[in-house]
Amino acid sequence: AQSVAQPEDQVNVAEGNPLTVKCTYSVSGNPYLFWYVQYPNRGLQFLLKYITGDNLVKGSYGFEAEFNKSQTSFHLKKPSALVSDSALYFCAVSPSPFYNQGGKLIFGQGTELSVKP
Amino acid sequence: GAVVSQHPSWVICKSGTSVKIECRSLDFQATTMFWYRQFPKQSLMLMATSNEGSKATYEQGVEKDKFLINHASLTLSTLTVTSAHPEDSSFYICSARDGTGSYLSEAFFGQGTRLTVV
Repeated sequence: AQSVAQPEDQVNVAEGNPLTVKCTYSVSGNPYLFWYVQYPNRGLQFLLKYITGDNLVKGSYGFEAEFNKSQTSFHLKKPSALVSDSALYFCAVSPSPFYNQGGKLIFGQGTELSVKP
Repeated sequence: GAVVSQHPSWVICKSGTSVKIECRSLDFQATTMFWYRQFPKQSLMLMATSNEGSKATYEQGVEKDKFLINHASLTLSTLTVTSAHPEDSSFYICSARDGTGSYLSEAFFGQGTRLTVV
């Protein structure tokens, strides 16, 4: 079965420091990986995705993620955190490359990021 | 990016009544839309996959007669919570993918609907 794990319920970071939000996955076949951010009472906003190619993926708002096949990880990173980055972050995996052939998203449990001034 | 509009943003209804939530793709065609349910501080649980012009595919454990899904056009899917009860109170979110290509693209999410059943 496909699954995603975010081992930390909460991550606390001081503003200006680098941040990492961890994600590991389990899929059969090639993984198609995504990061989304959710602000309170809002839907999800897309940050970045890994389909194929370079292991380091750059996304919106200065975020990036590194795909590591041997460790089955896709950690989200940012060199310098902002207070406005405080939100709920979700890692997701899709078991199929084709959206119309079962390409639904399976989400991790979410990680609450808190950036303090 | 593409825009998905969900309406209403919040709704309060009496127990036993039905509530309809709309999900629209504003600037692209979405042959497939997804409906999720989210409990406080928890992840998104996929309820069903809505396919334009055909029946929705429900995830295991989701009551089809309770959560009616209609995908009548390439830009609109609706979720109707029938005979709502307080335990149906939750945050419901829809998402859609651009249907112009078959390869995987990121899903775009609506802003969510906070349903409270009293």
